[in-house]
Amino acid sequence: GAVVSQHPSWVICKSGTSVKIECRSLDFQATTMFWYRQFPKQSLMLMATSNEGSKATYEQGVEKDKFLINHASLTLSTLTVTSAHPEDSSFYICSARDGRGDIQYFGAGTRLSVL
Amino acid sequence: AQSVTQPDIHITVSEGASLELRCNYSYGATPYLFWYVQSPGQGLQLLLKYFSGDTLVQGIKGFEAEFKRSQSSFNLRKPSVHWSDAAEYFCAVGAHNDMRFGAGTRLTVKP
Repeated sequence: GAVVSQHPSWVICKSGTSVKIECRSLDFQATTMFWYRQFPKQSLMLMATSNEGSKATYEQGVEKDKFLINHASLTLSTLTVTSAHPEDSSFYICSARDGRGDIQYFGAGTRLSVL
Repeated sequence: AQSVTQPDIHITVSEGASLELRCNYSYGATPYLFWYVQSPGQGLQLLLKYFSGDTLVQGIKGFEAEFKRSQSSFNLRKPSVHWSDAAEYFCAVGAHNDMRFGAGTRLTVKP
């Protein structure tokens, strides 16, 4: 089956620093990738949708200057949390959809802790 | 607007007992429906999906789900639960770039 790799799985950083999270589709080309945020014991909240080679589409209320998304190739999307603060601490999950269907394949998630 | 409701936040069943997790949706057309499972600290794994055709769909790990258009439901079932099934289960509806998730149902399995 389709595999999505997300790295790192866990990151701790100091307040004010930036953190980059990578999402790779390992055995398929992902025309579209998605970034979600999940708070403890809650559902997934879609942050943004990115299509290869174009600017990401952000959901209402998500700061695009805070959460920078780059989808430079068909197998890699990155989410950079800029000037992270403790309130940005969360579980971030990416998913990827290939060009043929409507199934999203999910990465294992990244737990971000901002001190 | 499309939405998904999972009425049960937490369900506890005994190992070997049957399981049904409820999911109701609101969608303007024939929906694409999914069930995902999430183990603690992990991403989501697709259990099964419904796009069209037979309304009873089989998935991995012995799960099945039935699409009932008249009830706007897509309930997940398993005849005999295993301890390893303890996890969070999410129902989702949508297609292409617009997928909505339910709030999730946490399943606890008693020995």
